Amino acid sequence: SQQGEEDPQALSIQEGENATMNCSYKTSINNLQWYRQNSGRGLVHLILIRSNEREKHSGRLRVTLDTSKKSSSLLITASRAADTASYFCATDAMGAQKLVFGQGTRLTINP
Amino acid sequence: DTAVSQTPKYLVTQMGNDKSIKCEQNLGHDTMYWYKQDSKKFLKIMFSYNNKELIINETVPNRFSPKSPDKAHLNLHINSLELGDSAVYFCASSHGGPGQPQHFGDGTRLSIL
Repeated sequence: SQQGEEDPQALSIQEGENATMNCSYKTSINNLQWYRQNSGRGLVHLILIRSNEREKHSGRLRVTLDTSKKSSSLLITASRAADTASYFCATDAMGAQKLVFGQGTRLTINP
Repeated sequence: DTAVSQTPKYLVTQMGNDKSIKCEQNLGHDTMYWYKQDSKKFLKIMFSYNNKELIINETVPNRFSPKSPDKAHLNLHINSLELGDSAVYFCASSHGGPGQPQHFGDGTRLSIL
């Protein structure tokens, strides 16, 4: 069964605003990762957060992880048109030997 | 450029045909993967190889046969193509196993007529 579920499925905001995407999962994990996919391209790894971490930053990205609620969020601050893409969470579940991806959030940044 | 490259980018063919997709990575990674992304963007693992050894075969029909001639290559051969095989297929690689950040190719869009 699908491990990660993302919310919302689609998000449209104005340039300069912040964008928040959420991911929920079902089983214990080693880590959770976020990826970006631009139209017609492959996925690009953004950030990895381990199960013993609660928050991680990378440039304009901030990721949180709440293992008690089995959820994560990705915040993109001061959004730009170039941030328009689909964003996926992926979980490395314990013992699974694979990443399981959510269905993604399609983010549109309007100029 | 260091990258994961897969060919062809587009593949249009008729039902029943056999086709192959090639993948090469020059990142020095030891683990390679094939994923299938459907029309709803749902991405699902098909196979993973570590040092040329199969470690995951995710209940994929045996019409799909991966081949890893060396650590840098993982090709995908598909026999007797069906309409339901239409999708985008992604090759990826990582260093140190599936839980590590993965690097993806730009995909092969397979369309079955």
